[in-house]
Amino acid sequence: DGGITQSPKYLFRKEGQNVTLSCEQNLNHDAMYWYRQDPGQGLRLIYYSQIVNDFQKGDIAEGYSVSREKKESFPLTVTSAQKNPTAFYLCASSLHPGTVANYGYTFGSGTRLTVV
Amino acid sequence: AQSVSQHNHHVILSEAASLELGCNYSYGGTVNLFWYVQYPGQHLQLLLKYFSGDPLVKGIKGFEAEFIKSKFSFNLRKPSVQWSDTAEYFCAVNARRNFNKFYFGSGTKLNVKP
Repeated sequence: DGGITQSPKYLFRKEGQNVTLSCEQNLNHDAMYWYRQDPGQGLRLIYYSQIVNDFQKGDIAEGYSVSREKKESFPLTVTSAQKNPTAFYLCASSLHPGTVANYGYTFGSGTRLTVV
Repeated sequence: AQSVSQHNHHVILSEAASLELGCNYSYGGTVNLFWYVQYPGQHLQLLLKYFSGDPLVKGIKGFEAEFIKSKFSFNLRKPSVQWSDTAEYFCAVNARRNFNKFYFGSGTKLNVKP
């Protein structure tokens, strides 16, 4: 079945460490996105990528980094510069950048990151 | 800045009751509007969307939503809920001039008692 795979489902990190969250899709979608969800708040856009080797900052990019070396993969690194990294992270994709408004996103199941 | 407000954070209903979940947004330009649903243990999925035309849109599973431009609202409704509608519901807004940016509300958890 086609879809988005996020791993791991739960992740624990010590303060001061970088950690990378995986996002893989086999939908042949061009565009991929990372969102962060905090309790009582909506999803907030961290980074997005419209094509391979290109990505743009979202609303809360500080303390995060991404890469898009392959169409299928859009890993997110939470760096030690992120002041409050404990959150639920969702990866999403859309067929083309312009179709996200037509068809919406396909979401992954998310990764819950906890800093200990 | 754009924002999306969902005022009901947690709603509890009995089966067959009617449902209305509020969604208001703040953006003066042309928007696309969405409702997403997340059933327990499942991914977020699209419930319905509005782009233009008839402001009353129908989605899957008997849900509908009405866009009232003057009120900046896009409320979700269902005449008679079922236990299987227990889920979290998110309203989202996309500004047409920036199709990559969606703004999500904080979500409403709906519990339907059998």
